[in-house]
Amino acid sequence: DTEVTQTPKHLVMGMTNKKSLKCEQHMGHRAMYWYKQKAKKPPELMFVYSYEKLSINESVPSRFSPECPNSSLLNLHLHALQPEDSALYLCASSQDVREDGRSTDTQYFGPGTRLTVL
Amino acid sequence: GNSVTQMEGPVTLSEEAFLTINCTYTATGYPSLFWYVQYPGEGLQLLLKATKADDKGSNKGFEATYRKETTSFHLEKGSVQVSDSAVYFCALSDRGGSQGNLIFGKGTKLSVKP
Repeated sequence: DTEVTQTPKHLVMGMTNKKSLKCEQHMGHRAMYWYKQKAKKPPELMFVYSYEKLSINESVPSRFSPECPNSSLLNLHLHALQPEDSALYLCASSQDVREDGRSTDTQYFGPGTRLTVL
Repeated sequence: GNSVTQMEGPVTLSEEAFLTINCTYTATGYPSLFWYVQYPGEGLQLLLKATKADDKGSNKGFEATYRKETTSFHLEKGSVQVSDSAVYFCALSDRGGSQGNLIFGKGTKLSVKP
């Protein structure tokens, strides 16, 4: 089983709202990732958690706040977003990761959350 | 730095045609190479992968061979179907390099007509 699940599938929010995206995997993977994908572009890495600790933050604005409550769950808390933050947000996981948080293994992606900021 | 270059689309084919999507890479280490597919409105699915030179990845009729001498990982399928219409991303993961994480090409959109 290589399934990564994400909820919600779609989310519409105003610029003053606070919302959260959720990601879950039960493959025993030790690394989890958040990506942002704009239309007709490849995914862009946002955050990497390895062994439940934040290991990489790709200079993401503080209005995006990741959280890893346990080894199976990854959240992305959203606050005061801008319309240009509208995108598909993808979660991924991989079996292993280097000490510096860099992936050494195949990443498996979830179906994504389509976010629209009004 | 590491990079992936893949042919720009869109690519439009008739059903049962032969497909090739070119992908070349630049890497300082010994990367693993991947093809991911994204169907309309969905996330990325791993299509196939190869972890060392001369490895052939294959899945669902798609194949790609890791060619170190030409730094390429071209995706091929002998007979495409309408259901293969999607965006295909070539990617590398440099296990020994400083970047390490997935480096994606820009994606190639494939449309298959009946």
